[in-house]
Amino acid sequence: EAGVTQSPTHLIKTRGQQATLRCSPISGHTSVYWYQQALGLGLQFLLWYDEGEERNRGNFPPRFSGRQFPNYSSELNVNALELEDSALYLCASSLGQDTGELFFGEGSRLTVL
Amino acid sequence: AQSVSQHNHHVILSEAASLELGCNYSYGGTVNLFWYVQYPGQHLQLLLKYFSGDPLVKGIKGFEAEFIKSKFSFNLRKPSVQWSDTAEYFCAVNDYKLSFGAGTTVTVRA
Repeated sequence: EAGVTQSPTHLIKTRGQQATLRCSPISGHTSVYWYQQALGLGLQFLLWYDEGEERNRGNFPPRFSGRQFPNYSSELNVNALELEDSALYLCASSLGQDTGELFFGEGSRLTVL
Repeated sequence: AQSVSQHNHHVILSEAASLELGCNYSYGGTVNLFWYVQYPGQHLQLLLKYFSGDPLVKGIKGFEAEFIKSKFSFNLRKPSVQWSDTAEYFCAVNDYKLSFGAGTTVTVRA
C-alpha cells in the first residue's frame, strides 16, 4: 500500500513568488493535514481538510491557503513568499476526522531566497 | 488550544542506558496523547498512543509511556536504548487538531 506522497521534494523560490505543494493521501483516507517544520520550531499546524472542507486552521497568515480535491488529494499554496517561509512542509493523512493517528509523507523542502 | 511542552531539547546517552523523555500538555479534559518518532532520513511515524484505559501504554520497539492525569504528563520511557533509537521524538495531543511539542533529539552512542 502506497503511503502519503508529496511533491515536489524540493522547491526553490524567491521572495514574493508563490509556491504550490501537493499531497496524495493514503488510499481510503479522507483527512489531510499540513504542517510546517522550521528549524528548531517543531511542527506547526497549518491546515486540516476533510471531505473537501477546511476543518481547522493554524495561526498562519491568509497567504497560506489550500484545498482538498474530490479524490482527497490536497494542495498547499503559499503566496507572497517570505524568507521565513523556508521550511519542510509535511502532509499527513488519516482515516477520518479527529482520530489523531496521522500518517506522514516525506515532506517538501521549500527554500526562499 | 492545547500546547505541548517537551522538557529536553537534546539527550545524549550510551547504549543500554535508560531513557525518559518528559511531555506535558496545557490543560485537562479528555485528551488523546501520542508519541511520534522521526528516524534520520525517514518520515514521522507513530510510536504509541493513549486514548483511554490503562495509563501505561506499550508501543513499538520496547517503548512505553505513562499518562498521569493529575500532572498533565505523558512521559516516554525505554529501559535500555540501542544505537538505532537515535531519532527525534515528538509528543502530541489531539485537541481538534494534533498539536506537537518542539521535539527532543536523542543521540545514542555505541
